[in-house]
Amino acid sequence: NAGVTQTPKFQVLKTGQSMTLQCAQDMNHEYMSWYRQDPGMGLRLIHYSVGAGITDQGEVPNGYNVSRSTTEDFPLRLLSAAPSQTSVYFCASSRRDEQYFGPGTRLTVT
Amino acid sequence: AQTVTQSQPEMSVQEAETVTLSCTYDTSESNYYLFWYKQPPSRQMILVIRQEAYKQQNATENRFSVNFQKAAKSFSLKISDSQLGDTAMYFCAFMKGLVIQGAQKLVFGQGTRLTINP
Repeated sequence: NAGVTQTPKFQVLKTGQSMTLQCAQDMNHEYMSWYRQDPGMGLRLIHYSVGAGITDQGEVPNGYNVSRSTTEDFPLRLLSAAPSQTSVYFCASSRRDEQYFGPGTRLTVT
Repeated sequence: AQTVTQSQPEMSVQEAETVTLSCTYDTSESNYYLFWYKQPPSRQMILVIRQEAYKQQNATENRFSVNFQKAAKSFSLKISDSQLGDTAMYFCAFMKGLVIQGAQKLVFGQGTRLTINP
């Protein structure tokens, strides 16, 4: 059981580039979500999904897209990276009230 | 909207001492969950303890316990016999208890950096 996996662990982008952060879970959880962590601000919800084919916006969705074609995968897309998107990104999946987090991706946009 | 506030950005204690981290929250919900997460330097988010708002009894997990004051909207974490491995960021988090269409959104506080000194 790998739990929640995220790739890559580190990424540096130039302003305007696009990329996809990958997230996968093998626990058959219906609920998955993406958070960003910035210094002094805790984690904030970007997007979430309650099941395959269903996604919705969280607190800070601008500049990010998501899709959920399978139960296992929930990729996060940055369409045109900006320095304000420099952050650590966490994917999580959950069953009822307990959320399981991936190891995080540190993204730097220059 | 719910908010979670951790008023102690940093704390430092000696090994084996007891330390209490503070958390207050604001909500109009009557049914909800509260959590404490630990984030060591490895960056992994680790669930420490969970409290369901309808339960009067304070949750405990080995050396970790909470003081849940529902009327005061306060949810502090006590770490007894602190160990060097407890050094980490600690986040308090809130989740609504009424799960509509499976939505289980966490609202986090700003975090408290705890250092355990030898």
